[in-house]
Amino acid sequence: EPEVTQTPSHQVTQMGQEVILRCVPISNHLYFYWYRQILGQKVEFLVSFYNNEISEKSEIFDDQFSVERPDGSNFTLKIRSTKLEDSAMYFCASLPTLGPTYNYEQYFGPGTRLTVT
Amino acid sequence: GQQLNQSPQSMFIQEGEDVSMNCTSSSIFNTWLWYKQDPGEGPVLLIALYKAGELTSNGRLTAQFGITRKDSFLNISASIPSDVGIYFCAGPYRDSNYQLIWGAGTKLIIKP
Repeated sequence: EPEVTQTPSHQVTQMGQEVILRCVPISNHLYFYWYRQILGQKVEFLVSFYNNEISEKSEIFDDQFSVERPDGSNFTLKIRSTKLEDSAMYFCASLPTLGPTYNYEQYFGPGTRLTVT
Repeated sequence: GQQLNQSPQSMFIQEGEDVSMNCTSSSIFNTWLWYKQDPGEGPVLLIALYKAGELTSNGRLTAQFGITRKDSFLNISASIPSDVGIYFCAGPYRDSNYQLIWGAGTKLIIKP
């Protein structure tokens, strides 16, 4: 069964450094998402991406964040200057298409644990 | 703002027991989703509900979309050890085609 993959599984970085988290969505999917989950807390939406541009972003997704689909298969989240509070699990998700009722049945990857020291 | 409140926060269960958990909001939702998250894994969709009053099953799992559209329930019958994990409800953020907002989760733990 096709699945969303994410690399690396764990990233440790120093405060102020840039990190790039990578995702390979399911191949025929068109909509891509990043979510964040701080340890022990709820999942939080960061951004959605369709047709090579951001569709929506949350208040969390400020200027230090950016997303890109560089080559038609990868979907990346860049955090420009990491802060301690960026430590969290970051999940990528994808969706095949939008329809009248199936907009939200997103398929999630296993996540990247980001630790900022 | 929109919030989803899940209860209980955690549950200790004996293998074989039935489990019930719920998700409520002060806002109306048109879709309810139930996800399960195993440790170190991403959330996996269990059941999606699209119509008020709808009752949907997935194996031993049954979920209901409350008539008021402000709540949803998830029941697990005859629990087994692999049911342990965190169960999240989620729903679309108002006026959004894309965003999901999430409850804080119900953690299911098997009593030794």
